[in-house]
Amino acid sequence: SYVVAQPPSVSVAPGRTASITCAGNNIGTKSVHWYQQKPGQAPVLVIFYDNDRPSGIPERFSGSNSGNTATLTISRVEAGDEADYYCQVWDDTSDYVFGAGTKVTVL
Amino acid sequence: EVQLVESGGGLVQPGRSLRLSCAASGFTFDDHAMHWVRQAPGKGLEWVSGISWNSGYSGYADSVKGRFTISRDNAKNSLYLQINSLRPEDTAFYYCARAYTSGWRGYFDLWGRGTLVTVSS
Repeated sequence: SYVVAQPPSVSVAPGRTASITCAGNNIGTKSVHWYQQKPGQAPVLVIFYDNDRPSGIPERFSGSNSGNTATLTISRVEAGDEADYYCQVWDDTSDYVFGAGTKVTVL
Repeated sequence: EVQLVESGGGLVQPGRSLRLSCAASGFTFDDHAMHWVRQAPGKGLEWVSGISWNSGYSGYADSVKGRFTISRDNAKNSLYLQINSLRPEDTAFYYCARAYTSGWRGYFDLWGRGTLVTVSS
């Protein structure tokens, strides 16, 4: 089965840049999608197909994917970005795979 | 308003059954595959099951295969999950999620608020 790994937590000061990684074997050959989940709320799609943003998601959110690592980057971090972030891929042996999630703390 | 609303969760004894429902509104339901994703309290997201737009294909996570059955009624804009032989490890919020397309693979572009299933004696 396909597995992706995320760091448990990332801390960042307001106004700085947060980078959240999602590591998997040759993940660069797959499409990676990212979700934001705030406490007590449902997940929200923030990036799809590696680096596309749904309408309503700020340009501060961007993504990249190459080799064995995909990255979600949040620029000019705001207090409202504090949340759990999950990467997700589709794999033909495992179907839909989520990372374990990264808790982003704004200092 | 475009939304998904889950129902049917509750406290259930181990070994019993439960049927979850998801009511869709505000969009053309049969344009999309639909899925269930669960999240144990304080844990991460786990894909549970999905079904194509016309019910022609369905898939299940290994952890639920043989116990869970997904179905949909496009005339009622509704998605269902029949859960049998419930186990304590099935305790979770169950989210209904819309696939961005009618087919398989890809991502989930709309989520419901979830319904909590608690399995305990």
